[in-house]
Amino acid sequence: QKEVEQDPGPLSVPEGAIVSLNCTYSNSAFQYFMWYRQYSRKGPELLMYTYSSGNKEDGRFTAQVDKSSKYISLFIRDSQPSDSATYLCAMSEANFNKFYFGSGTKLNVKP
Amino acid sequence: SAVISQKPSRDICQRGTSLTIQCQVDSQVTMMFWYRQQPGQSLTLIATANQGSEATYESGFVIDKFPISRPNLTFSTLTVSNMSPEDSSIYLCSVRDRNDEKLFFGSGTQLSVL
Repeated sequence: QKEVEQDPGPLSVPEGAIVSLNCTYSNSAFQYFMWYRQYSRKGPELLMYTYSSGNKEDGRFTAQVDKSSKYISLFIRDSQPSDSATYLCAMSEANFNKFYFGSGTKLNVKP
Repeated sequence: SAVISQKPSRDICQRGTSLTIQCQVDSQVTMMFWYRQQPGQSLTLIATANQGSEATYESGFVIDKFPISRPNLTFSTLTVSNMSPEDSSIYLCSVRDRNDEKLFFGSGTQLSVL
């Protein structure tokens, strides 16, 4: 079993839709949770960062962590064509010795 | 966040040759890492580049194949040696400061081996 599981998609939505991206994990020691956005032929860009359970909002983006279910989500409101990219979840234990990544979900927002 | 410059951005190489990828950061950072990203797969950590000493390699990666240098706190290189088509991948430099839990990435090197 992989440490982090992420649906690869692709996920195709119309402009303005609410997008939900998800990851599950198996290691209960994970404390820090991140979402990266990666455009084609670019490196991953840190989008959201959360610690432990709860929600964090930044503009149109909301990151949600449910440690009891070992499940994290990224919500994108009012999605735009410029949001079309691959979204990677990542997580680490409190010591930050190693980061574990999902395989990425490819999102396409159609105008 | 740190600005990370990585080059080359892409290259096409012949089997059996070697390629050195450079990573330059605009500020001193404690930790530098090299990742590989294959299509449809998660990022795989190759090694941690240690300043002034030998890199720490992950299981499945060896120094003879992926020699790494880190002469100072702002620069590192990764060499992919004796390349085969299986080495075709995106190689990513990443950095993290010891007092900062966030991990940042360079723009990547798209390597194709013929």
